[in-house]
Amino acid sequence: DTEVTQTPKHLVMGMTNKKSLKCEQHMGHRAMYWYKQKAKKPPELMFVYSYEKLSINESVPSRFSPECPNSSLLNLHLHALQPEDSALYLCASSRDLSGGNEQFFGPGTRLTVL
Amino acid sequence: AQSVTQLGSHVSVSEGALVLLRCNYSSSVPPYLFWYVQYPNQGLQLLLKYTTGATLVKGINGFEAEFKKSETSFHLTKPSAHMSDAAEYFCAVSDQGFQKLVFGTGTRLLVSP
Repeated sequence: DTEVTQTPKHLVMGMTNKKSLKCEQHMGHRAMYWYKQKAKKPPELMFVYSYEKLSINESVPSRFSPECPNSSLLNLHLHALQPEDSALYLCASSRDLSGGNEQFFGPGTRLTVL
Repeated sequence: AQSVTQLGSHVSVSEGALVLLRCNYSSSVPPYLFWYVQYPNQGLQLLLKYTTGATLVKGINGFEAEFKKSETSFHLTKPSAHMSDAAEYFCAVSDQGFQKLVFGTGTRLLVSP
């Protein structure tokens, strides 16, 4: 199984809502990533987890809160988002953080903040 | 710091024509280089990667790329374009020590019949 799954596929939320994005992989990968991608732009790294510990936070606002409950799951909790947070949120995983390892991407969650 | 430059935000080719997408990188250490493809409303899929060894790398869907250290380039080619190749293509670089990808701005490939 070389697949990264993400749910939901689409999400519309108000600025006062709390919602969560979910990502799952069963490849035994120990590194997992959240990216944000705006239209016609490359993905921007948000967070990196390695062995279930937060390794990198790219100065992301606190309204985004990542969580890694176990080695297969990665969540992104959303609260009090702004309309400019509307984007495609991509999850990825790799064997570990060593350079050269392929990152496998999920299909993304299309988030719209009203 | 590492960086990637992709020349041409859009490239248009006819079906059956050669595809050439350009990527130049900047890195103070030997780089790892990647090409990813993204179809509309989908995630990224790895086409090919260069780590060490042979400088001509073959990937999926008939694509290949050549690592040229002297030119700091990693251009992507395909001999004959197919309509299904129309997508966004991203070149990316990481270093040997850490798997943090730095992406180029992307090139949209348009294929006309």
